[in-house]
Amino acid sequence: EDQVTQSPEALRLQEGESSSLNCSYTVSGLRGLFWYRQDPGKGPEFLFTLYSAGEEKEKERLKATLTKKESFLHITAPKPEDSATYLCAVRANTGFQKLVFGTGTRLLVSP
Amino acid sequence: EAGVVQSPRYKIIEKKQPVAFWCNPISGHNTLYWYRQNLGQGPELLIRYENEEAVDDSQLPKDRFSAERLKGVDSTLKIQPAELGDSAVYLCASSPSSGVNTGELFFGEGSRLTVL
Repeated sequence: EDQVTQSPEALRLQEGESSSLNCSYTVSGLRGLFWYRQDPGKGPEFLFTLYSAGEEKEKERLKATLTKKESFLHITAPKPEDSATYLCAVRANTGFQKLVFGTGTRLLVSP
Repeated sequence: EAGVVQSPRYKIIEKKQPVAFWCNPISGHNTLYWYRQNLGQGPELLIRYENEEAVDDSQLPKDRFSAERLKGVDSTLKIQPAELGDSAVYLCASSPSSGVNTGELFFGEGSRLTVL
């Protein structure tokens, strides 16, 4: 069964304090790994798609990387507005190729 | 450009009562998804439509849940009768057909259901 595990569950940073979020996955034939951001009371917002090991994507202070077993979301010099829950999802090459989401990492950036 | 619109935003009902959620996707998006998100969890797919056709409803509890997407645009998700365990946020998302590959789904703000 396809599984996605995110760590840590929650992370508190000071403004400017860089860190990384982890997403480890077990999937039969990865067809894509996706990062989303979710603000309280809102739906998830798409950030990145990664398809193969070694691939990297960047957007402002966020950089996503992918290996054969995990992905990292690096946050450089975060600001309070980066506070949100970050969700990781995978799409497998089986069944209906649906997205399987992890439980997310709640990030709080304090000024 | 308008995003995915869902209603109602909040709904409180007694158990065994029926409830329905409505979704209007982004114009031109022919793929529509219904997800359920429990507190502290990631979204779980209930059903995916390609135009009017339900192409993946394997996770939809068919004894009490039903969905329809008439004319390939708006969609309705119904629960009848509701149970306590159905309390969750019901998210609708849409994408172009390519969204299945790119993973770029556009989510609405969700409908929060509380069953008492």
